[in-house]
Amino acid sequence: NAGVTQTPKFRVLKTGQSMTLLCAQDMNHEYMYWYRQDPGMGLRLIHYSVGEGTTAKGEVPDGYNVSRLKKQNFLLGLESAAPSQTSVYFCASNLQVRGQPQHFGDGTRLSIL
Amino acid sequence: TQLLEQSPQFLSIQEGENLTVYCNSSSVFSSLQWYRQEPGEGPVLLVTVVTGGEVKKLKRLTFQFGDARKDSSLHITAAQPGDTGLYLCAGLQGAQKLVFGQGTRLTINP
Repeated sequence: NAGVTQTPKFRVLKTGQSMTLLCAQDMNHEYMYWYRQDPGMGLRLIHYSVGEGTTAKGEVPDGYNVSRLKKQNFLLGLESAAPSQTSVYFCASNLQVRGQPQHFGDGTRLSIL
Repeated sequence: TQLLEQSPQFLSIQEGENLTVYCNSSSVFSSLQWYRQEPGEGPVLLVTVVTGGEVKKLKRLTFQFGDARKDSSLHITAAQPGDTGLYLCAGLQGAQKLVFGQGTRLTINP
């Protein structure tokens, strides 16, 4: 079972460049999430989606955009990358049942120079 | 400000010792989850506690939810090198949003 797959796994960008991170899940989950993980900060929610075509802001949404055109995919975009966005990004998904555990991908390590 | 405070943030002990990790908040959560994360991987759920005062055991790991549902603890008995990893607590806000603690990086030395 693939579960949650994130691409790419690593990427280096220059300041001002744009890119899109892709998250795909094969578990038919309704809810999907994007987090960033920084040393000493745990995971912080960037954006999330409760279903196809719907997105909402999380704790740290500035500088990021998201789209959920298909139920199985959740895209995270950086329009103009900044060094402060250097981080490890995790995608997660779960069922539309209260308190269900989130299933995480293995992360995308992004460096902005 | 961190909604969930984990302590300690780093812990290095010898194999066979016992340890406790704490997860504290001033907020009430409907449930609290504990995850473990290995290097290069995403977090994986260990346990969910829902009821105030609830205690759950997973082999040598014991998880407790505070009576007021504001805090939780993870106790490991006779730690083994395989327990090494990053432990994260996460409180459920609303229907689905999780708020994570900073994490406790645990190293068990042989």
